[in-house]
Parts: sequence; structure tokens; C-alpha cells
Amino acid sequence: DVKVTQSSRYLVKRTGEKVFLECVQDMDHENMFWYRQDPGLGLRLIYFSYDVKMKEKGDIPEGYSVSREKKERFSLILESASTNQTSMYLCASTTSLRGARTEAFFGQGTRLTVV
Amino acid sequence: LAKTTQPISMDSYEGQEVNITCSHNNIATNDYITWYQQFPSQGPRFIIQGYKTKVTNEVASLFIPADRKSSTLSLPRVSLSDTAVYYCLVGDLNTGFQKLVFGTGTRLLVSP
Repeated sequence: DVKVTQSSRYLVKRTGEKVFLECVQDMDHENMFWYRQDPGLGLRLIYFSYDVKMKEKGDIPEGYSVSREKKERFSLILESASTNQTSMYLCASTTSLRGARTEAFFGQGTRLTVV
Repeated sequence: LAKTTQPISMDSYEGQEVNITCSHNNIATNDYITWYQQFPSQGPRFIIQGYKTKVTNEVASLFIPADRKSSTLSLPRVSLSDTAVYYCLVGDLNTGFQKLVFGTGTRLLVSP
């Protein structure tokens, strides 16, 4: 059974803290994504990575950074958490196999509250 | 990336057929159309994908007209458990890499 696993289901952090959200996939996928989801705004892409050590900004990268040191792991970093980063964070992965059905597999999500 | 437009919400009753249409006027020749379903507090999951005409699986059907500027996800005889948000995505599968951009989706509410 394919798996994308996010390190925490719920997280509460204080304003100004450095926060790490971890995502691990066991499907040997090349591409990994971080989204945040807020009521009425759908899923918004923060960052994505198509290879180890490669990263690209999504639509809302401000206030976030990412790290991909190993193929299976993609970390989202909030350098200095703020209350407007309270949200549900979702990690996803896809294969880069040409012509393959591009099916994104998602983790269970991390609900982050910044107080 | 082709922009997609979907209705914000739809209501239905158990046992009815539901059709959700997605508009993608700027779809490119190599783009495929993919639909995802998301339940509350879960990540989206793949439902169906197609390039042209009609695709059917055990969950849904996808209808794509000849000009491919729109597509319709059809859910036969919905039940309460089909209440979810449905997203339409358009992208090129042949590049070997696809930036997945989700919009706001269509919130389907199925009532008894």
C-alpha cells in the first residue's frame, strides 16, 4: 500500500518559533509538493521539488522554505511562525515517469495552530 | 498551465446522478484532465483521468467533448458518502514532471 506520511497530525506552536513539517513517501516518487488549505481558498501550492536538492516556489512561498536532502523526504520549514500560518498543511508526491498516470498521493495532513 | 473554472458548490439528493462541469478554455494539446475528491480532514484522492471522449471506472465517468475546452465528471446514483470537494486539474503528463495546481474545487453536498 502506497504511503505518504506526515510527521504530525496536530501541532501547536508559538509565534516566532521555527517549525519543521516532515513528509516521507515510500513510492520512490521524484516529485513532492507542499500545500496549505484554508476554508474557502482550496489547496494552495507553497513549494514543490522534482528532484533531490531541487526546489521551486509555488504560488505562496513567502514565509516558508523547504529542504529535500533525500528522495523520500521533503520538509517544510516555517522560519518564524506567525498566526496567519495557522492552517492545514498537506504533502503530496507524484512520479515523473513519462506517460504514466499522474496520480498524486497525499499525506493525512498536519493541522498547525500558531498561538 | 491551463486555468480551470468549476462551480463553487452543488447540492443533490441520494440516488441522483450528479454532473460537475469544469471549464478549461486554454487546454493545450498534450494536457490531460484529472479529477480528485477530498473528504473533510483528508488529503485529496485521485478519481479519474482522461484525454478525450469518455472514460469510465468503478467510481465515475468523465466526459470530454471534441474541443476539450470543458469536461464533466459524472457520479451515478450518489450517496451521502459522496459529499466532498471535487477538483479538476489540467496538465501535461508527457513532460515527466507536472506542477499540480488545485483550485477551490466544487463542494458537493448530498442530502437524504
